[in-house]
Amino acid sequence: QVQLVQSGAEVKKPGSSVKVSCKASGGTFSNYAVSWVRQAPGQGPEWMGRLIPLLNIVNYVQKFQGRVTITADNSASTAYMELSSLKSEDTAVYYCAREDMTTNLFDFWGQGTLVTVSS
Amino acid sequence: EVVLTQSPATLSVSPGERATLSCRASQNISSNLAWYRQKPGQAPSLLIYGASTRATGMPARFSGSGSGTEFTLTISSLQSEDFAVYYCQHYNNWPPWTFGQGTKVEVK
Repeated sequence: QVQLVQSGAEVKKPGSSVKVSCKASGGTFSNYAVSWVRQAPGQGPEWMGRLIPLLNIVNYVQKFQGRVTITADNSASTAYMELSSLKSEDTAVYYCAREDMTTNLFDFWGQGTLVTVSS
Repeated sequence: EVVLTQSPATLSVSPGERATLSCRASQNISSNLAWYRQKPGQAPSLLIYGASTRATGMPARFSGSGSGTEFTLTISSLQSEDFAVYYCQHYNNWPPWTFGQGTKVEVK
């Protein structure tokens, strides 16, 4: 059974950056994409982008272009999402999710990482 | 970008009763729609994909229908674990994948 384990909660100042990790156990990202989805308090999920490790292809939502970087260390089965120039509106729970490339479905999710941006 | 509009925002239902949730897409997405259930403090979990196929392990009380722009999730007999928030999500053609704003199913 695949498990995605994310790094712990973060508190950041406006203008700073945060990097969240997502480690896969019981499987790898090799034949899948890793997507990052965030959810602001009381809001629906919002897809931010994905990395396809096998092809080294990254897709970002235009809204986050220039501020988000998704990377992976395949040898460590770990993916990362870095978001820069943080604003208070970036306060949210950030999830990684495994995306099956044949179906584009999110079949496994991390437990979520709360990022709080506050001065 | 495909915009998904869910209705109602909140649905009050008694345990054992039926719940019907709707999701409308701003453009034709064929049957490339999934439904997720999110319990408090947890990540969303996949319920239905292809508009009508139950994900592995999901109970038969969940059913989905629709294609194109109109979709429905029906829960035939609500159990305690079903009082949660439900989201639809499209995965048609190309990203960005988008989610609806959710329907909260609460105890009447």
